Amino acid sequence: GAGVSQSPSNKVTEKGKDVELRCDPISGHTALYWYRQSLGQGLEFLIYFQGNSAPDKSGLPSDRFSAERTGGSVSTLTIQRTQQEDSAVYLCASSQSFRNTGELFFGEGSRLTVL
Amino acid sequence: KQEVTQIPAALSVPEGENLVLNCSFTDSAIYNLQWFRQDPGKGLTSLLLIQSSQREQTSGRLNASLDKSSGRSTLYIAASQPGDSATYLCAVTLIYNQGGKLIFGQGTELSVKP
Repeated sequence: GAGVSQSPSNKVTEKGKDVELRCDPISGHTALYWYRQSLGQGLEFLIYFQGNSAPDKSGLPSDRFSAERTGGSVSTLTIQRTQQEDSAVYLCASSQSFRNTGELFFGEGSRLTVL
Repeated sequence: KQEVTQIPAALSVPEGENLVLNCSFTDSAIYNLQWFRQDPGKGLTSLLLIQSSQREQTSGRLNASLDKSSGRSTLYIAASQPGDSATYLCAVTLIYNQGGKLIFGQGTELSVKP
């Protein structure tokens, strides 16, 4: 596609429910990244993919968070048993390769509100 | 642990002023440093990328400098315009991390008044 596409743009859920956030990177970009932006924490790295593999999951805050990428394209970030502290904007970015961070393109984010 | 700090947190200037945004980082072992712009409710747009071997980069009215040894970068905006109003974020990539793992500062919220 023309840019990084994320859905949903807004999600309101009840505490304890599971949510899935989707990211569709720029066509041909092999590297995909998830970041979280919250008021108190700023922008935090969560996970990145090179192709379908995730060499670095160090930023995932707990085992309730998981992510996968299939076909070297679309990625899904899943949060199980959501908590209020999960409320944040989840940003996805892609680049041609994981070394080429200068060409990092961000989507507009998925705003998650956990009631 | 690498920490990135941006000063000031917020800045309001009249249109036409030249201004400087500051970014400091604690670990000089960086691969590169980037400046991003974020408009309210939007994603991030990359403005300038400085590799660790470079001293500065320029794009239009923007100039970013890097002093790796002192752990500092500045973003200079010339002849500011109301359209420059946004949050500006700096981020570093460490040389011993895989690419893409950016460490961000908290940002400077800039308001340019007409």
